[in-house]
Amino acid sequence: EAQVTQNPRYLITVTGKKLTVTCSQNMNHEYMSWYRQDPGLGLRQIYYSMNVEVTDKGDVPEGYKVSRKEKRNFPLILESPSPNQTSLYFCASSPIKGASGHGYTFGSGTRLTVV
Amino acid sequence: SQQGEEDPQALSIQEGENATMNCSYKTSINNLQWYRQNSGRGLVHLILIRSNEREKHSGRLRVTLDTSKKSSSLLITASRAADTASYFCATAFTGTASKLTFGTGTRLQVTL
Repeated sequence: EAQVTQNPRYLITVTGKKLTVTCSQNMNHEYMSWYRQDPGLGLRQIYYSMNVEVTDKGDVPEGYKVSRKEKRNFPLILESPSPNQTSLYFCASSPIKGASGHGYTFGSGTRLTVV
Repeated sequence: SQQGEEDPQALSIQEGENATMNCSYKTSINNLQWYRQNSGRGLVHLILIRSNEREKHSGRLRVTLDTSKKSSSLLITASRAADTASYFCATAFTGTASKLTFGTGTRLQVTL
């Protein structure tokens, strides 16, 4: 089944303790992206990647890191989490089809709480 | 912000009625997409309409796009309780075909 898999689904952590949220897709998509979703703010893009070893900042990259060493994986790293990073996080992927665009496939989400 | 804006923020209708949601955006687009999100779950892609298209259908969904007004609408006909969800429009702006910017969504409640 074509899917984007995120882990973990829920995570509670303490301020300053490094964590990684994993994201993997099995559709051979070039494009992958991370979003955070907060009430009243919709989805905001954190980072995205157009292909292996190619990453770029989205709208809210502060406090996050990503890497794209393999096409299928795009982990999100919080080196020193803070309470304002408490949020619902989504990974998404898409094939690159030029100007015609293509719909995203989303993971099920990771609900992160930083205390 | 380039973010799209949905209107209304919330909509409550009875089963069998039609639901219309609107989306406005600010700059030129390559395409506009609509997604559905059930509470706390991942978003599901519903339909994509390109900038040179004016209307598109998929089952009970009808999407229109007016690039002169920079707006789109999503119509769900004969709604069902299972349509209860949040609906988001997302825009791919000219020159950023793969990068989507999402609006804040419309919460649709369909009651029996």
